[in-house]
Amino acid sequence: EIVLTQSPGTLSLSPGERATLSCRASQSLTSNFLAWYQQKRGQAPRLLIYGASNRATGIPDRFSGSGSGTDFSLTISRLEPEDFAVYYCQQYGGSLYTFGQGTKLEIK
Amino acid sequence: QITLKESGPTLVKPTQTLTLTCTFSGFSLSTTGVGVGWIRQPPGKALECLAVIYWNDDKHYSPSLKSRLTITKDTSKNQVVLTMTNMDPVDTATYYCAHADFWNPYFEHWGQGILVTVSS
Repeated sequence: EIVLTQSPGTLSLSPGERATLSCRASQSLTSNFLAWYQQKRGQAPRLLIYGASNRATGIPDRFSGSGSGTDFSLTISRLEPEDFAVYYCQQYGGSLYTFGQGTKLEIK
Repeated sequence: QITLKESGPTLVKPTQTLTLTCTFSGFSLSTTGVGVGWIRQPPGKALECLAVIYWNDDKHYSPSLKSRLTITKDTSKNQVVLTMTNMDPVDTATYYCAHADFWNPYFEHWGQGILVTVSS
C-alpha cells in the first residue's frame, strides 16, 4: 500500500502570500494519479487538482499542481481569505485510493 | 448535475452492524467506467477510503477493514449500500459517499456526509 506523507502539518501565512504544500509518496506513482482536495470546516472535500497538474472544473488559476514520481506539490500563488482550510493529497494505485494526513493552512 | 446523499443511523452501539445508503442522481451505475466510493473521516482526522464499487460490480476494499465491509449497488434505485460489522467507538466518523471514475480515479462529486457516532 502506498503511503502519502504531507508537509508541513500546519502552514501559517498571510493573505496575498504564496503557499507551497508538499506530498511525498512511499513509492513512485504510475500515471501520476495524484489529486489535491480542499476541505473547509463542516464541509465535504472539494477536488482542486487531478493528474498531478490539472485543475478541476471551476478552480481558480491561482491553484496549481506539479510533480511526478514520488514528489508532488500544490501551490497557491496569492492567498485569498477563502483559501485557509485543510488540504489533502490522494493517490490511486493497486486498486486502492489513499489520502495523505493533511496540511492545515492557517492565517498568520 | 451530479448529487449524492448519505442516509442511515447517526448512533450505533458497539458490536452492532452499520448500514449506510448512498442515493445519487445525475449519473447511472450502469454506465461504463462509473463507480461510487465510501470515504470516512474521524473528527479532526484525515480521510480514509473504505470501499469503491464500479459499474461492472468490481469491488475494492480498504485492506485493513476488508473483513468488516460489504459494498453493494442497486442500479435501478440509484443506490449504493455499505455495511460495516462489529462497530467500535473508533469507527465514529463522518461517512461520505462520492462519485468515482474508473479511468480518472478521483472523487469530484461528494455527498454532504453523515456523522455516525458509536457509543453505548
